[in-house]
Amino acid sequence: QITLKESGPTLVKPTQTLTLTCTFSGFSLSTSAVGVGWIRQPPGQALDWLALIYWDDDKRYSPSLKRRLTITKDTSKNQVVLTMADMDPVDTATYYCAHRDTAMETFDYWGQGTLVTVSS
Amino acid sequence: QSALTQPPSASGSPGQSVTISCTGTSNDVGGYNYVSWYQQHPGKAPKLMIYEVSKRPSGVPDRFSGSKSGNTASLTVSGLQAEDEADYYCISYAVSNPVIFGGGTKLTVL
Repeated sequence: QITLKESGPTLVKPTQTLTLTCTFSGFSLSTSAVGVGWIRQPPGQALDWLALIYWDDDKRYSPSLKRRLTITKDTSKNQVVLTMADMDPVDTATYYCAHRDTAMETFDYWGQGTLVTVSS
Repeated sequence: QSALTQPPSASGSPGQSVTISCTGTSNDVGGYNYVSWYQQHPGKAPKLMIYEVSKRPSGVPDRFSGSKSGNTASLTVSGLQAEDEADYYCISYAVSNPVIFGGGTKLTVL
């Protein structure tokens, strides 16, 4: 059974760097054809893809946010970490991590999400 | 890369069928059979309903079906039920990005 859970601060100040951790179970990021992605959703708005890391450490980023994002994995801890620099109130959103099946090119399992508010 | 285009809203009465479209380009929807659809109820995480254009994960009712023609993918919900009322999002693989989302469609069951 695949499960994922996001963790991190619920409140960050403008200009700060956000660090979110996705802790997962039921699969290994050392197994081929597997990835973990981050997706966010501002209140009342649509889903927005942020970043994706694959089993082979290949990393992909949303072009519009690429300069602010870093995604890394710790295979031994079953964790994926996303950092987003220079946070702004418009970055207030629920942040989700999700399991990526590259054979199907889909996010088939999602975490519950964590709400991050950016405010001074 | 621009987001995929979905109608902001759709509606139908219980028992009816509703189709939601997702329009992209030949670089995404039209170029790959990697379109997925997600259902999201308020305050909940998205749930995978359709992958690879028309395949249903285990546990998804066969009332949900997917198709594609050219650069437009579609999700059809047949025999509408009250619990189908939710937001629906399409995603496609693309030549430049592995993930492109649609803007979402709010499905209302009248």
